[in-house]
Amino acid sequence: SAVISQKPSRDICQRGTSLTIQCQVDSQVTMMFWYRQQPGQSLTLIATANQGSEATYESGFVIDKFPISRPNLTFSTLTVSNMSPEDSSIYLCSVGGVSEKLFFGSGTQLSVL
Amino acid sequence: ILNVEQSPQSLHVQEGDSTNFTCSFPSSNFYALHWYRWETAKSPEALFVMTLNGDEKKKGRISATLNTKEGYSYLYIKGSQPEDSATYLCAFIAEYGNKLVFGAGTILRVKS
Repeated sequence: SAVISQKPSRDICQRGTSLTIQCQVDSQVTMMFWYRQQPGQSLTLIATANQGSEATYESGFVIDKFPISRPNLTFSTLTVSNMSPEDSSIYLCSVGGVSEKLFFGSGTQLSVL
Repeated sequence: ILNVEQSPQSLHVQEGDSTNFTCSFPSSNFYALHWYRWETAKSPEALFVMTLNGDEKKKGRISATLNTKEGYSYLYIKGSQPEDSATYLCAFIAEYGNKLVFGAGTILRVKS
């Protein structure tokens, strides 16, 4: 199992600003995943963060908008840049394999005005 | 594009009622199906990971079945309690796939 500390838990931000979300895992993991859930939508994978290499982004998500850092095997950050109201979502980090269960952080509820 | 559908979108039941919801996924190239429970202000919590056609898994009052040939899974809750109130998510991964594709979830509210 893994315990993930994610912060902030919520924030209200102004249009055009950026927010960095942090996740700290209590054990070393190779891959960390960043998800977004827009209101009424599915959890959607943004990118996979690998330690020592650039993150792998899913279709529709780009590094300039969602830069990710992965400085070591227990920590990652996701930045939501130049925010607009469409970025209002719950953002989640997670660890685990696809054939094993995922463990999630508690989420960041972001509202952009 | 893989499509995972969950129904109903939301459900309100009385304490003690039994309930079930459905997750539909592509029936070809199946690898695994996950179920998660997501309570407000908490982390999503894994309930089941199912890989074999005909699988039935149980955890307390919650159970799940899997039909990979027709592409659906049912989640059952027996004798619902207020603490079962949560969003229930299913997620599918295809063979040779490298990521989980989630449904939009079923929101369950249990009234005491």
